[in-house]
Amino acid sequence: KAGVTQTPRYLIKTRGQQVTLSCSPISGHRSVSWYQQTPGQGLQFLFEYFSETQRNKGNFPGRFSGRQFSNSRSEMNVSTLELGDSALYLCASSSAPENEKLFFGSGTQLSVL
Amino acid sequence: GESVGLHLPTLSVQEGDNSIINCAYSNSASDYFIWYKQESGKGPQFIIDIRSNMDKRQGQRVTVLLNKTVKHLSLQIAATQPGDSAVYFCAEKNSGYSTLTFGKGTMLLVSP
Repeated sequence: KAGVTQTPRYLIKTRGQQVTLSCSPISGHRSVSWYQQTPGQGLQFLFEYFSETQRNKGNFPGRFSGRQFSNSRSEMNVSTLELGDSALYLCASSSAPENEKLFFGSGTQLSVL
Repeated sequence: GESVGLHLPTLSVQEGDNSIINCAYSNSASDYFIWYKQESGKGPQFIIDIRSNMDKRQGQRVTVLLNKTVKHLSLQIAATQPGDSAVYFCAEKNSGYSTLTFGKGTMLLVSP
């Protein structure tokens, strides 16, 4: 069974641009969560989707958005990029409706110049 | 809100030693706890989990201990190997459809 797949693996953008990251969960998993990882803040929760509905949202500005498609694949978008958005963005999927035991992808490393 | 934290940012051990990584949590409503291992360039990898109705759970070379009285969680790794070198995260969540809240992580360095 394939794991969680995130694309692209690396991204370099400049301030003011926008970016879209993609995540394909493990087959059969309906819950997808997104986390931002930085050296200073650790893993910070962004949002979680279950059956195309955003079920939970972290404390991030509205520039961060996401969606989930009917096949459970998910995308997150960051608009008007800032230098502080440079981070590893991790996607995780779960088979449990209670959103336990997350399985993570390798992440997308975003650098904002 | 309340968060999960770690006592030791870096732990250095010799190969073959037993390692203990500690984690303190402050949310008394948390009923599910989980440990992850993250190697350089990779996403966090599930190690072991435990529910609040248990005090101890064992896996292959790993044991998680939960002390609800003092809100403390620990991960014990037996016969630590160089391949165990990584950053270890604990995380907790409440019941229902809440999300995992992660601690800051502890780096484990294993010397041959």
